[in-house]
Amino acid sequence: AQSVTQLDSQVPVFEEAPVELRCNYSSSVSVYLFWYVQYPNQGLQLLLKYLSGSTLVKGINGFEAEFNKSQTSFHLRKPSVHISDTAEYFCAAQFPHGAGSYQLTFGKGTKLSVIP
Amino acid sequence: DSGVTQTPKHLITATGQRVTLRCSPRSGDLSVYWYQQSLDQGLQFLIQYYNGEERAKGNILERFSAQQFPDLHSELNLSSLELGDSALYFCASSPPQGNEQFFGPGTRLTVL
Repeated sequence: AQSVTQLDSQVPVFEEAPVELRCNYSSSVSVYLFWYVQYPNQGLQLLLKYLSGSTLVKGINGFEAEFNKSQTSFHLRKPSVHISDTAEYFCAAQFPHGAGSYQLTFGKGTKLSVIP
Repeated sequence: DSGVTQTPKHLITATGQRVTLRCSPRSGDLSVYWYQQSLDQGLQFLIQYYNGEERAKGNILERFSAQQFPDLHSELNLSSLELGDSALYFCASSPPQGNEQFFGPGTRLTVL
């Protein structure tokens, strides 16, 4: 079955420290991958996406992610976090569902808490 | 601001009732997606419309229905509401040739 797994439900990290949020997907075919961020009481904002090409993808707010096909992973990283990065982060995949159908399958989310 | 609007922001109703959630996509986007976010199920895809036609269905209950109108706004109708329907309902839109989805701020539904 096609699925997305976020291995950590909560990640606490000190301000200015690096962070990695892990995401694995399960699929036998090519997928498109996304990371979204959700701040409290807000909608989802796209951080970055991987469709094809370079496996290292840079996004907004200093985040980047690396696509690893052999490990079916798409981990999100930031070298130095800020208090304002405190939010919930969702990994999502677009699996092939037929012509014109691009629904997203989401992981359960990882709550990032940045400690001053 | 993603450009996707959803109304109302909050909705409180009772079990057995029916509600309608509204979504206006970004200008130029033809696809509208509906997602449900709940504590136990996480974010789940419900249904997609493309230029007025249903394109894909996910984990949408039979008590729920949706439609997309000629002006491309969409409505999600939830009927015979149960306590377990309490959740955040998000609408997203995407451009005709794009994969990226832009999410609205959501409607928080509380069923008492």
